[in-house]
Amino acid sequence: DGGITQSPKYLFRKEGQNVTLSCEQNLNHDAMYWYRQDPGQGLRLIYYSQIVNDFQKGDIAEGYSVSREKKESFPLTVTSAQKNPTAFYLCASSTRGYQETQYFGPGTRLLVL
Amino acid sequence: AQKITQTQPGMFVQEKEAVTLDCTYDTSDQSYGLFWYKQPSSGEMIFLIYQGSYDEQNATEGRYSLNFQKARKSANLVISASQLGDSAMYFCAMRGLLNAGNNRKLIWGLGTSLAVNP
Repeated sequence: DGGITQSPKYLFRKEGQNVTLSCEQNLNHDAMYWYRQDPGQGLRLIYYSQIVNDFQKGDIAEGYSVSREKKESFPLTVTSAQKNPTAFYLCASSTRGYQETQYFGPGTRLLVL
Repeated sequence: AQKITQTQPGMFVQEKEAVTLDCTYDTSDQSYGLFWYKQPSSGEMIFLIYQGSYDEQNATEGRYSLNFQKARKSANLVISASQLGDSAMYFCAMRGLLNAGNNRKLIWGLGTSLAVNP
């Protein structure tokens, strides 16, 4: 089955700790995205990547880092510089066609201990 | 600036009835796309339907249809014959020009919570 997987489903972070959220897709999509969702808010773009070894900052990139070494994978690291990391994180991927619909993974909920 | 407005924080509908979820948008682009997504309590964002700004006919996907009124800048989602499984958050989103600074960002509304009553 083609799709997007995210792991873990729940992640706990201690103060000062870096944590990495995994996102893998087997849809052969070129573009991948990371969003953050807070209660009562829409999605906010953290980073996106259109091709391997290239990525751009979104609206709220501070305190986050990404890599795109493989087409299938786009991990997100939440660094200790992100002072309010508690949120729901969604990964998405898309084709590069005109419609360019973004398809999402099941999400990771990050909580700070 | 591009913006999506969903004015209904919460909606109720009786099972088997139709419901309309409102979405208005603001953009100066001539070419854009509008999307609706469903987010059940599990959290996954599920793509429902797409409307391109140059599409002459309203998009339909099964029980979902998009009432696109370009002059009024509205893209309302209509769900026919509501089912209990339709209870979820619904988000409207817009994408502007392709390759506009290589920005493929979607602009999101704040969502509408739909509850389907048995």
